[in-house]
Amino acid sequence: GAGVSQSPRYKVTKRGQDVTLRCDPISSHATLYWYQQALGQGPEFLTYFNYEAQPDKSGLPSDRFSAERPEGSISTLTIQRTEQRDSAMYRCASSLSGASADTQYFGPGTRLTVL
Amino acid sequence: AQSVTQLGSHVSVSEGALVLLRCNYSSSVPPYLFWYVQYPNQGLQLLLKYTSAATLVKGINGFEAEFKKSETSFHLTKPSAHMSDAAEYFCAVRRLSGGSYIPTFGRGTSLIVHP
Repeated sequence: GAGVSQSPRYKVTKRGQDVTLRCDPISSHATLYWYQQALGQGPEFLTYFNYEAQPDKSGLPSDRFSAERPEGSISTLTIQRTEQRDSAMYRCASSLSGASADTQYFGPGTRLTVL
Repeated sequence: AQSVTQLGSHVSVSEGALVLLRCNYSSSVPPYLFWYVQYPNQGLQLLLKYTSAATLVKGINGFEAEFKKSETSFHLTKPSAHMSDAAEYFCAVRRLSGGSYIPTFGRGTSLIVHP
C-alpha cells in the first residue's frame, strides 16, 4: 500500500476484555515494529518482525501481550485481559529491512482506552 | 546501552524566531541518530538522520541538526519558525537487536509557535 495503515484508529474496551490491533505495512517492507506510546512520552519498543520471524519481543510488558505476523505482511498485536494501565497509543512502523540507516515509516496509531 | 535525553518538554518561540530543540545521546558504539516529527493525529515522520557521514545534516522543512561528538549532542535547529512547525519532536538513537536496528526514542519536545 501507499503507507502504513492501522485499525481500528480508536478502541474503547472494558477492563478484562481482550483486544486485537491490526497493522498493514508498506507492501515491500520486510521489517515491522510495534511501539506503545503513553501520553506525553516517546514511543516505547514492544517487538519487531523480519518477515514472519520475531527476533525480539523483549519490550512486551507482560505475557498478556502477544504479536504475530504469520505470512510476513499484516501483523496483529493482541492484549489479553486488558488493564487500565494498557491505555495508550499503539504505533506500528515498517522499513525495507532492519538495516541501521533504514527509514521507518509509521502508521497513524491505534488509541486504546481501557475503562 | 544507547539512549537519548531531550532537554525541555516544551519549547515556545515566536513566528520567525530561531528554533532550537536539544538532544543529548549516550552510546557505546558510533551512534546513528534521528529526529522525527509528529503532527496532531498523525504518525511520526522522519525529519533527518545522522549516519556517520557529514556532521551537519539537513532535513525536510528547513530543519537541520549538527552531530557534536565532544558534546554528545544532536540538536535540531531551524532559522525561522513557521506556525506549521508546531508539533511534537522526538530524537532517537539506534540500537542493535537480533540483527536489526531498533530506534530508542526520547520523551519528546513539544514546539509551540506564537504569532
